[in-house]
Amino acid sequence: GENVEQHPSTLSVQEGDSAVIKCTYSDSASNYFPWYKQELGKRPQLIIDIRSNVGEKKDQRIAVTLNKTAKHFSLHITETQPEDSAVYFCAAGAGSYQLTFGKGTKLSVIP
Amino acid sequence: EPEVTQTPSHQVTQMGQEVILRCVPISNHLYFYWYRQILGQKVEFLVSFYNNEISEKSEIFDDQFSVERPDGSNFTLKIRSTKLEDSAMYFCASRDLGSPLHFGNGTRLTVT
Repeated sequence: GENVEQHPSTLSVQEGDSAVIKCTYSDSASNYFPWYKQELGKRPQLIIDIRSNVGEKKDQRIAVTLNKTAKHFSLHITETQPEDSAVYFCAAGAGSYQLTFGKGTKLSVIP
Repeated sequence: EPEVTQTPSHQVTQMGQEVILRCVPISNHLYFYWYRQILGQKVEFLVSFYNNEISEKSEIFDDQFSVERPDGSNFTLKIRSTKLEDSAMYFCASRDLGSPLHFGNGTRLTVT
């Protein structure tokens, strides 16, 4: 089955700096790669997703890149703000949306 | 914006007891899921459900687990005989064809 590795497990950045979180996946059949933000005690919320027919997608301060050949994808957050502090999960799946999640990255943005 | 709703928000039960976790998916969604998250760990897939039957399930989803869509709005997860290691946050999710997953707020299950 699919295996998703996520790094780093924790990340601290100064407010205004950029944050990058990286994930690798193992199953070449995976074609859907969402990123979720989870605040303490709350549900995962989709922040951006990308499909395998696209190499990059951007939504304001958030961007995701996908390298299918290397089987890795990354989340980039620019101009970080304290409210970006949360746990971020990457996931990979095929059309059925049986998503395999990474272990999460706890992002702390220091004011 | 429509939401997936889950009840109860917190359920405490004794080991060996049966529990039913309830979910109301978004009304026009066709695909339903249960995921779980043990405290401090990653979210894990349990089961997907479409057209009134299970479409996929993980190794975690053993014979102690079952799902049901008893009517046109509810989607339930039953654990027949709970174990301590079943303590986790259980998330229901739903989606429409081609849309991303929408998660509910979760039910925190504590087995004592």
